[in-house]
Amino acid sequence: QSVLTQPPSVSGAPGQRVTISCTGSSSNIGADYKVHWYQQIPGRAPKLLIYNNDNRPSGVPDRFSGSKSGTSASLAITGLQADDEADYYCQSYDNSLTAIVFGGGTKLTVL
Amino acid sequence: QITLKESGPTLVKPTQTLTLTCTFSGFSLSTLGVGVGWIRQPPGKALEWLALFYWDDDKRYSPSLKSRLTISKGTSRNQVVLTMTNVDPVDTATYYCTHFSYRRDSFDVWGQGTMVTVSS
Repeated sequence: QSVLTQPPSVSGAPGQRVTISCTGSSSNIGADYKVHWYQQIPGRAPKLLIYNNDNRPSGVPDRFSGSKSGTSASLAITGLQADDEADYYCQSYDNSLTAIVFGGGTKLTVL
Repeated sequence: QITLKESGPTLVKPTQTLTLTCTFSGFSLSTLGVGVGWIRQPPGKALEWLALFYWDDDKRYSPSLKSRLTISKGTSRNQVVLTMTNVDPVDTATYYCTHFSYRRDSFDVWGQGTMVTVSS
């Protein structure tokens, strides 16, 4: 069971907006550690999507945005496209475990 | 352009030691704020962080695997090696080598991954 909790799956129609939550605790997200998001297209290596809560690496469309509040973080995707269909993982640091931790992943289906 | 590539055996027997090499280009591991990390993913499962080698030679390990892991510089300046002792079928996974950026505090470039199966 992952330290960071994500919904197993979310779905949306093309053009819609979806959000993926990442729920942690006082020893990780709530301790003000940064949250990062990765996109993994099936059969491919993960790719950094959002770093330090709400920053996009160059080349990542502004349809992707991140936010953080309290012990949770969220990834929002607007204008959903077919090639957004992938698994999404959040990542942070946990000072109780003294470890880098990942969420369990969320599978996004574009209907 | 930063690239990383993992290499090592595709099949390992239980109780053996697994040695994986990450060969990278486009950066120097002696540059301030840089690191090389290893992350694995069992088939159909989530990502799991294993180890991280920092620019200042500091090393960090997943507490749950610390006793079995060693991360070190390779024989070439652009290599990092991960060894895992006493492997078990549950260690079957795709192993990824990654570039870690201190500024971004994240794994910002990933290798393609290498699939390792532990089976007798």
